[in-house]
Amino acid sequence: GEDVEQSLFLSVREGDSSVINCTYTDSSSTYLYWYKQEPGAGLQLLTYIFSNMDMKQDQRLTVLLNKKDKHLSLRIADTQTGDSAIYFCAETLYSSASKIIFGSGTRLSIRP
Amino acid sequence: ETGVTQSPTHLIKTRGQQVTLRCSSQSGHNTVSWYQQALGQGPQFIFQYYREEENGRGNFPPRFSGLQFPNYSSELNVNALELDDSALYLCASVRWGDTGELFFGEGSRLTVL
Repeated sequence: GEDVEQSLFLSVREGDSSVINCTYTDSSSTYLYWYKQEPGAGLQLLTYIFSNMDMKQDQRLTVLLNKKDKHLSLRIADTQTGDSAIYFCAETLYSSASKIIFGSGTRLSIRP
Repeated sequence: ETGVTQSPTHLIKTRGQQVTLRCSSQSGHNTVSWYQQALGQGPQFIFQYYREEENGRGNFPPRFSGLQFPNYSSELNVNALELDDSALYLCASVRWGDTGELFFGEGSRLTVL
């Protein structure tokens, strides 16, 4: 079946690294995504990784994929107040084009 | 800016009414999908349109229907509105086969009273 799970809350100190974790169940997943949603706004695509990759780095963002354990993580280096948002992990199957299965989101809050 | 635009941004309806939401996809994107995001939850897949036909559907009743036009823009129609239909409705577009670059519009926030 298709299911994506992630913890609901994460609090980090400004300047520290944030690590948001996610597990998924569908071994046929081809793309895995991280989206960011700020209050009252739509979904912003942060980054995505193809399932044959282990890692992807993009400026302050690092995505790690453990396909054996079906575990995906997003690391945000030097977390800033502007990073406060809800982060959604999501997966899709190639054959389903744009059918994406989302987790419930992790709310990231930043402490001074 | 994702190039995906939705209208209206906000609307209020009463139970039993019908609503039409619109989406213009990013240039070159021939596949459009719609999602419902209830408060405090992740988006749920409603359906997807490719070449003007529905080719994938989530767990939503038939009163949720859609259209895709030759220019790839799309509509979501919901009949017989219920209170639980209150949500943010998101549209996403992609070029078939290019699934990595899936961009969303800002959404249409529907309130059903």
